[in-house]
Amino acid sequence: DAGVIQSPRHEVTEMGQEVTLRCKPISGHNSLFWYRQTMMRGLELLIYFNNNVPIDDSGMPEDRFSAKMPNASFSTLKIQPSEPRDSAVYFCASSPSTGIYTEAFFGQGTRLTVV
Amino acid sequence: AQSVTQLDSQVPVFEEAPVELRCNYSSSVSVYLFWYVQYPNQGLQLLLKYLSGSTLVKGINGFEAEFNKSQTSFHLRKPSVHISDTAEYFCAVSSNTNAGKSTFGDGTTLTVKP
Repeated sequence: DAGVIQSPRHEVTEMGQEVTLRCKPISGHNSLFWYRQTMMRGLELLIYFNNNVPIDDSGMPEDRFSAKMPNASFSTLKIQPSEPRDSAVYFCASSPSTGIYTEAFFGQGTRLTVV
Repeated sequence: AQSVTQLDSQVPVFEEAPVELRCNYSSSVSVYLFWYVQYPNQGLQLLLKYLSGSTLVKGINGFEAEFNKSQTSFHLRKPSVHISDTAEYFCAVSSNTNAGKSTFGDGTTLTVKP
């Protein structure tokens, strides 16, 4: 299995532009997570899907952020408009079930820089 | 509510020395505990996990951790570290009440010096 695949690996964009981050979870996994990692705030859970349905989006910072999971093999995280403070590494992770005892499998991350 | 505290933000150690990375958790219900490792420019990967049973858990790369319910701790240990163990280490907890989410600690940067 190729693991969780994220694209792009690096993104540099200007303030005010729309940014879309993409994730392909591991086949058969039915839970998907989007995390943001910064030096200041560490690893933050933004949103969590189960069976393509958003379960908890309480970590989404504000209305500029939105996430979708149109099918079991694809998810997007969109920032519109982007701001410099959105610069971070964004991770997608998937998990094989809703079981609380199962670990998450992480992608390589997308390093976003907003200038 | 649950939380995780990693007591050391940075741990420098010499090669072949033992190391312990400390993790304390807080939860009002039964918990499941994890340690992840993150190498530079990589995602997190699982080192080991405690679900139930034996409180001493062995993971990859020679790491082990001990679950101590009375002290609400899950410290990670390795008897002899290698340069390649230099990375950031995250402790995480999940529980029956959190529907599959894990709460992560702030991470501990382990630096192994020659």
